[in-house]
Amino acid sequence: QKEVEQNSGPLSVPEGAIASLNCTYSDRGSQSFFWYRQYSGKSPELIMSIYSNGDKEDGRFTAQLNKASQYVSLLIRDSQPSDSATYLCAVNSLPRGSQGNLIFGKGTKLSVKP
Amino acid sequence: DVKVTQSSRYLVKRTGEKVFLECVQDMDHENMFWYRQDPGLGLRLIYFSYDVKMKEKGDIPEGYSVSREKKERFSLILESASTNQTSMYLCASSYEQGIYEKLFFGSGTQLSVL
Repeated sequence: QKEVEQNSGPLSVPEGAIASLNCTYSDRGSQSFFWYRQYSGKSPELIMSIYSNGDKEDGRFTAQLNKASQYVSLLIRDSQPSDSATYLCAVNSLPRGSQGNLIFGKGTKLSVKP
Repeated sequence: DVKVTQSSRYLVKRTGEKVFLECVQDMDHENMFWYRQDPGLGLRLIYFSYDVKMKEKGDIPEGYSVSREKKERFSLILESASTNQTSMYLCASSYEQGIYEKLFFGSGTQLSVL
């Protein structure tokens, strides 16, 4: 069974700090990686995708991928209380199995304190 | 914007009832999915479909069935509801396949089976 591991948290950071969320995955053949944000009581929404090694920046969010270490991370700069949510890491592993193409981690709960 | 609509936000049913959860997407997506999400267990795939009248089992299909008679609609059926099926049910759709597949989620149905 392919696995995606995340620290469940909660991760607590002060407002304005950098929040660092980490994810490791078991399938070395994985080719695409996604971060979803899920507010309490709401459904997940896609915020970042990354396909090649290195960094990808989008506003205050930076996704980092290291395929050799099977590691993907999400950095949130200038964290705001509105960033408080659970962040799900998802990894696309082909061929599709009973888990589907996307294997989800269980999520890291982030709390940004004013 | 992609719209994935789930018919009920909250649902309360009795043990043994047959339960229908409906999901409709308005973006002509080929692929549709049903997940359940439980605290500590994360997202688990129940069934998915790549085309009308086509379905595939996910990780936890036992006790569930699905129907996809039209491209835009994917229904989840609990044949005889049990208390261990109390959960948040999330429908999702995607328009791409392979490594670029991204999921768009509905708002979820919180089902309680008493």
